[in-house]
Amino acid sequence: ELKVEQNPLFLSMQEGKNYTIYCNYSTTSDRLYWYRQDPGKSLESLFVLLSNGAVKQEGRLMASLDTKARLSTLHITAAVHDLSATYFCAVDTYMDSNYQLIWGAGTKLIIKP
Amino acid sequence: GAVVSQHPSRVICKSGTSVKIECRSLDFQATTMFWYRQFPKKSLMLMATSNEGSKATYEQGVEKDKFLINHASLTLSTLTVTSAHPEDSSFYICSAPAPLTSHAADTQYFGPGTRLTVL
Repeated sequence: ELKVEQNPLFLSMQEGKNYTIYCNYSTTSDRLYWYRQDPGKSLESLFVLLSNGAVKQEGRLMASLDTKARLSTLHITAAVHDLSATYFCAVDTYMDSNYQLIWGAGTKLIIKP
Repeated sequence: GAVVSQHPSRVICKSGTSVKIECRSLDFQATTMFWYRQFPKKSLMLMATSNEGSKATYEQGVEKDKFLINHASLTLSTLTVTSAHPEDSSFYICSAPAPLTSHAADTQYFGPGTRLTVL
């Protein structure tokens, strides 16, 4: 069964702290996506990780990919309230002659002032 | 830049009626589009893959007669929820792969979503 598991599913943290969201996946894939979703909004693409060892950073967010371990991390540095949102990871997989995205359950992040 | 639009953004309908949701790729062509459904506090669930000029591919457990998908052109896919019931109330999102020639060739563009409420 193809699965993408995020951990934790819920995270409440104080501003200024660091934390990491983990994304494990069971299928073979070399493309992993991180998305942000604000309540009632559609998804916003954050990072696309294409190869083993890929690391991308945007502001206080940094994402990395280890394809051998089938693990991606999204690290938050010195969190600010504006980063409160739900974060999803998703993995590209090719099955039934189609590329599809397999999604994690999402991590709801609440950052308190 | 490339954008995917959905219409309507919000719809309220009576039980038993049918609702059509449009997904359009703006400024680029999409031979494939994906339809997702999001339950409250849950992740997105892929419902089906819409293929231009051919039948959609439905995920296991998704009723193809209930959720009709038509991909009539390279820029438009429609999802029709037939004989809607309150349990069909949800947030429906479509996406399209970014063009291979674009700078974002390895990502997906998401529509803004359609909130369906069936009374």
